[in-house]
Amino acid sequence: AQTVTQSQPEMSVQEAETVTLSCTYDTSESNYYLFWYKQPPSRQMILVIRQEAYKQQNATENRFSVNFQKAAKSFSLKISDSQLGDTAMYFCAFTSNYGGSQGNLIFGKGTKLSVKP
Amino acid sequence: KAGVTQTPRYLIKTRGQQVTLSCSPISGHRSVSWYQQTPGQGLQFLFEYFSETQRNKGNFPGRFSGRQFSNSRSEMNVSTLELGDSALYLCASSSTIGGPGANTQYFGPGTRLTVL
Repeated sequence: AQTVTQSQPEMSVQEAETVTLSCTYDTSESNYYLFWYKQPPSRQMILVIRQEAYKQQNATENRFSVNFQKAAKSFSLKISDSQLGDTAMYFCAFTSNYGGSQGNLIFGKGTKLSVKP
Repeated sequence: KAGVTQTPRYLIKTRGQQVTLSCSPISGHRSVSWYQQTPGQGLQFLFEYFSETQRNKGNFPGRFSGRQFSNSRSEMNVSTLELGDSALYLCASSSTIGGPGANTQYFGPGTRLTVL
């Protein structure tokens, strides 16, 4: 079975500093997609960043970047220049989207990030 | 493009009743997935619809059902509500056509269901 593990239930960071959230996953698939979503107190689930497993280059989106280590099955999120608006629950998610897995995102338990002024 | 919309945003029901939640996907998206989010179990996959067909189903009892219409709008129904069905129900849509956004799910704001 495919699983996603986030080992840090809570983290905090000072405004303007950098923080890294960890995620590991387990799969026997060779091609898949990994995501980071944020869920602020409003509960709206917002896509932060996306990585396709066959792409070796790490994805970046403005202040957000990932460190994708396929062999180690690790997918960490780095947030640079943290802002108060980054305060949210962050979920790591996986999908292979192949037969039997269509439309099924497997989520980790989440990391609650607090950005302090 | 407009985002994923869900109605209603909040619902209060009593045990034994049934409820129907609605989801309108992003224009052009044909895949719609549903998730249940609770503090204890986290985010759990309910089912996925594509072109009016259920392609995938999570591990939920038969009281949870869904359907998709020809315009890709989807509904989910929960019959004989139990207290444990209180949750945030999230709907997400995705495009299956190739491109940078393919296979990426975009979520609606959710429907918060409270069962008394």
